[in-house]
Amino acid sequence: QLQLQESGPGQVKPSETLSLTCTVSGDSISKSGYYWAWIRQPPGKGLEWIGHIYYIGVTYYNPSLKSRLTISVDTSKKQFSLKLTSVTAADTAVYYCARLTPPFEIVVLGALDYWGQGTLVTVSS
Amino acid sequence: EIVLTQSPGTLSLSPGERATLSCRASQSVSSTYLAWYQQKPGQAPRLLIYGTSSRATGIPDRFSGSGSGTDFTLSISRVEPEDFAVYYCQQYGSSPLTFGGGTKVEIK
Repeated sequence: QLQLQESGPGQVKPSETLSLTCTVSGDSISKSGYYWAWIRQPPGKGLEWIGHIYYIGVTYYNPSLKSRLTISVDTSKKQFSLKLTSVTAADTAVYYCARLTPPFEIVVLGALDYWGQGTLVTVSS
Repeated sequence: EIVLTQSPGTLSLSPGERATLSCRASQSVSSTYLAWYQQKPGQAPRLLIYGTSSRATGIPDRFSGSGSGTDFTLSISRVEPEDFAVYYCQQYGSSPLTFGGGTKVEIK
């Protein structure tokens, strides 16, 4: 059974960099046709797609975050990571990692069929 | 960016009743690229429906999805106690991926 687990600091100071890692277990992170995504949810609000990555390192970012965002993958550790720079209080949210499964091989967008439990990151001094 | 508007914001129902949740898109979405999720308090979302009408693994058949173009619907034939939650639609036909604002199904 595929499992994902987020890890990283629960609090980040304004203007600093938010860094999170997602560890994948129960299946290969290098499996063809699957992507690895980050989604966030501010407290009491809805879901926002941050971006996703293919195991060879190809990335897809939300334009609203692109200038501050880096997503990377380490297949040897079965992990993928998120770095978001210059954070503000608006970046306070529960951050989820998830597997993204496109409906066809040539498509790079898809539904999110496995999720981590999420980790709350608070931006505060 | 495709904006998804869900209605109603809150749906108050008794167990056993039928639930009908709406998701309206600002632009046409291919039916291949519309999903629904359930989220309970303190939990991650769970995929219910993908491709407008295909149930994800392990999802009971009381959940069904339908629609096309800009109007999509999630139906729960008879709401069970464990179905009280927030439901989100999501489109993946164009970037950026977007979610609706959610419909809360609460106990009447």
